[in-house]
Amino acid sequence: AQSVTQPDIHITVSEGASLELRCNYSYGATPYLFWYVQSPGQGLQLLLKYFSGDTLVQGIKGFEAEFKRSQSSFNLRKPSVHWSDAAEYFCADLSGGYNKLIFGAGTRLAVHP
Amino acid sequence: KAGVTQTPRYLIKTRGQQVTLSCSPISGHRSVSWYQQTPGQGLQFLFEYFSETQRNKGNFPGRFSGRQFSNSRSEMNVSTLELGDSALYLCASSLGLAGGLRNIQYFGAGTRLSVL
Repeated sequence: AQSVTQPDIHITVSEGASLELRCNYSYGATPYLFWYVQSPGQGLQLLLKYFSGDTLVQGIKGFEAEFKRSQSSFNLRKPSVHWSDAAEYFCADLSGGYNKLIFGAGTRLAVHP
Repeated sequence: KAGVTQTPRYLIKTRGQQVTLSCSPISGHRSVSWYQQTPGQGLQFLFEYFSETQRNKGNFPGRFSGRQFSNSRSEMNVSTLELGDSALYLCASSLGLAGGLRNIQYFGAGTRLSVL
């Protein structure tokens, strides 16, 4: 069955440090992959998406992600984290058909000053 | 352009009652998907509606149902509430047509349901 794995449940980084959040997908065909961010008590905000083409995609808030088919990965990166980036991050795959997003379990990011 | 609007934001119900949640999609979007978010199970797909028809359904009991109106607004209903139905219910809208960019889902702020 289609699945998305986020291996890290919690990550803590210092403000200004670089960040990489991991995501692995299981669907065999070309996936439609997304990263969403959720602040406490809020809905999900789309950070970036990958459908095809250039494997390095840019998103909002200075985030980027790289699609690597050989590793079935779609990791999210940011070169310098800000305190306001503290939130929960979800990787998702749309390949299940008809607008059915399959989400990873999420990674909760804490940022130390 | 207004975003996805969910009402109410918070609900408190007791076991055995039923509840109806509402979702107004972004103007021009014809697809509405519903998700349940709980600490234990994470984000799970409930169902998706497009042009008033349910196109896809997740693995939830029949107590969970939905519908979509001609203006693309959607409602979901949960009957005979159980304690385990306490969750954040999120809806998302998209253009809903086949092909890449038209399937990008935009989420509302959610309805927090507490079942006592």
